[in-house]
Amino acid sequence: GQQVMQIPQYQHVQEGEDFTTYCNSSTTLSNIQWYKQRPGGHPVFLIQLVKSGEVKKQKRLTFQFGEAKKNSSLHITATQTTDVGTYFCAGPRAQKLVFGQGTRLTINP
Amino acid sequence: SAVISQKPSRDICQRGTSLTIQCQVDSQVTMMFWYRQQPGQSLTLIATANQGSEATYESGFVIDKFPISRPNLTFSTLTVSNMSPEDSSIYLCSVDRLAENIQYFGAGTRLSVL
Repeated sequence: GQQVMQIPQYQHVQEGEDFTTYCNSSTTLSNIQWYKQRPGGHPVFLIQLVKSGEVKKQKRLTFQFGEAKKNSSLHITATQTTDVGTYFCAGPRAQKLVFGQGTRLTINP
Repeated sequence: SAVISQKPSRDICQRGTSLTIQCQVDSQVTMMFWYRQQPGQSLTLIATANQGSEATYESGFVIDKFPISRPNLTFSTLTVSNMSPEDSSIYLCSVDRLAENIQYFGAGTRLSVL
């Protein structure tokens, strides 16, 4: 069945450093979504990418969708302590979502 | 987005008992989902709660263990039955409000089974 792989599983950075997480699907996706879960919190929708090669920005966050619509990345520029949490990508399967394993970001202030 | 109220927020239960988790949405939604999240892990879909019909369960999850109700388009319950310590986890409900495949989550129920 459809699988969504995400790397790295963990990333620890110094505050101010950049951070990137990568997502790969075993099948072509109609769209890909990113969610953020703060420690002790619940997943919160960040963004949806639909078009091949699409790039979207939210302040210091840059999201990309690959040309083949099978991979995606999330890049955070100059991390801040508020960026701490686990970032999940998710791809649709029928009317459900398949979530990646998540990348847990910790930051040393 | 959608306002989702999930309760209880946490509970500590004894082995062999059952717990019912409630999920209330501020508007009518077609799709409601129940997930389990082990500490430090990703989200595992338990089932899709369908209004007016039985829930659709994912592989590895059965109705006898996780009965689900969906009496209307704004409410659903998940029961964790005959609990064991292995059921200790976070349980999350979510909705796909506009049928866009975008999901909005409740705050979760943190369950510990002793």
